[in-house]
Amino acid sequence: GAVVSQHPSRVICKSGTSVKIECRSLDFQATTMFWYRQFPKQSLMLMATSNEGSKATYEQGVEKDKFLINHASLTLSTLTVTSAHPEDSSFYICSAREPTGRGDGYTFGSGTRLTVV
Amino acid sequence: LAKTTQPISMDSYEGQEVNITCSHNNIATNDYITWYQQFPSQGPRFIIQGYKTKVTNEVASLFIPADRKSSTLSLPRVSLSDTAVYYCLVGPFGGNKLVFGAGTILRVKS
Repeated sequence: GAVVSQHPSRVICKSGTSVKIECRSLDFQATTMFWYRQFPKQSLMLMATSNEGSKATYEQGVEKDKFLINHASLTLSTLTVTSAHPEDSSFYICSAREPTGRGDGYTFGSGTRLTVV
Repeated sequence: LAKTTQPISMDSYEGQEVNITCSHNNIATNDYITWYQQFPSQGPRFIIQGYKTKVTNEVASLFIPADRKSSTLSLPRVSLSDTAVYYCLVGPFGGNKLVFGAGTILRVKS
């Protein structure tokens, strides 16, 4: 079945630095990927839709310059948290849709736990 | 996208059947109902999807009344490993994004 790999699973960075999270579709091509953020005991919040070869579409209230998204190939999207601060500490999850996959076709990565110290 | 309302939490015991109901009064004609499961520190996992009446797969059943303003996820004979958050989503099939509501925390006890 469709598999989405996310890396790293955990990362700790110092305040003010940037961190990159990768999302790969392993056995299918994904023209569109999605990035979510989830704070403890809360639901997933959609941050942006990543489009291969074009600019990402950000949800209202999400800072484009802070959360840089690059979707340079059909199997890879990256999320870079720039100038990270402790309030950016969260669980980041990516997703991709494989139209011929089971169910509704959406597959999620295993998430990245970001801790900013 | 239609707004959904679910109970915040539910408790059950191993071996029992669990029914989680989701309200979606503003569901559109072309909307489907999809349920996801999420364990701590993991991404959500698709459980089941339906449009009307009843859908059953190897892990759950989904009951949707004729007016489609609500739906019920039924988990037969739950085990401790079914402890998770369950999300009900409503949107067009093949829609361009998934929007998650608050979800229901299911705790299965021994």
